[in-house]
Amino acid sequence: DTGVSQDPRHKITKRGQNVTFRCDPISEHNRLYWYRQTLGQGPEFLTYFQNEAQLEKSRLLSDRFSAERPKGSFSTLEIQRTEQGDSAMYLCASSHRDSFANTQYFGPGTRLTVL
Amino acid sequence: AQSVTQLGSHVSVSEGALVLLRCNYSSSVPPYLFWYVQYPNQGLQLLLKYTTGATLVKGINGFEAEFKKSETSFHLTKPSAHMSDAAEYFCAVALWGGTASKLTFGTGTRLQVTL
Repeated sequence: DTGVSQDPRHKITKRGQNVTFRCDPISEHNRLYWYRQTLGQGPEFLTYFQNEAQLEKSRLLSDRFSAERPKGSFSTLEIQRTEQGDSAMYLCASSHRDSFANTQYFGPGTRLTVL
Repeated sequence: AQSVTQLGSHVSVSEGALVLLRCNYSSSVPPYLFWYVQYPNQGLQLLLKYTTGATLVKGINGFEAEFKKSETSFHLTKPSAHMSDAAEYFCAVALWGGTASKLTFGTGTRLQVTL
């Protein structure tokens, strides 16, 4: 049984560079979520996919952020022109549409540090 | 809109003592409620959830929580703390009947267990 996986686990980049993160959900989970967690805070919702369709985006997701899930399986989150304020843990979660209460299972996260 | 308040950002207990982590929620409709645990540099692991039915919910690692609608609370307890329980704990709410059911998290409570 494989859980949600994320790659890379850590990313250090310089301000202004672009970065891309990948999330592989639990197989057969058709819903996929991205959250951002800054130090000392709880995760905050960024965006949500059902299959390949991006159905909801938070106001936190500025136009420098883009997320895709091209074939309804893995997803990527890209941040363009990174800023120091983007430093955070980026968490991916997945759930099955038929799951009662839509229980979400989280990956280990990608920790981004922008210098 | 829903929100979650976790009282106490840090809680310290002795090994073997009762653990009580507090969570109050605000929701305009019946909520789904969750507790997640996060170990350092890791993602979130689901401890337990309340959907409908029995208000006392049992989870993994000996934790349980009770949904009290009149108090809008969902406090997490464990009768006897173990050193391995030291972690950050997050309470979260999702709207009942919501399509996306994105999670709204509290700011977390760091549990310290001392000898």
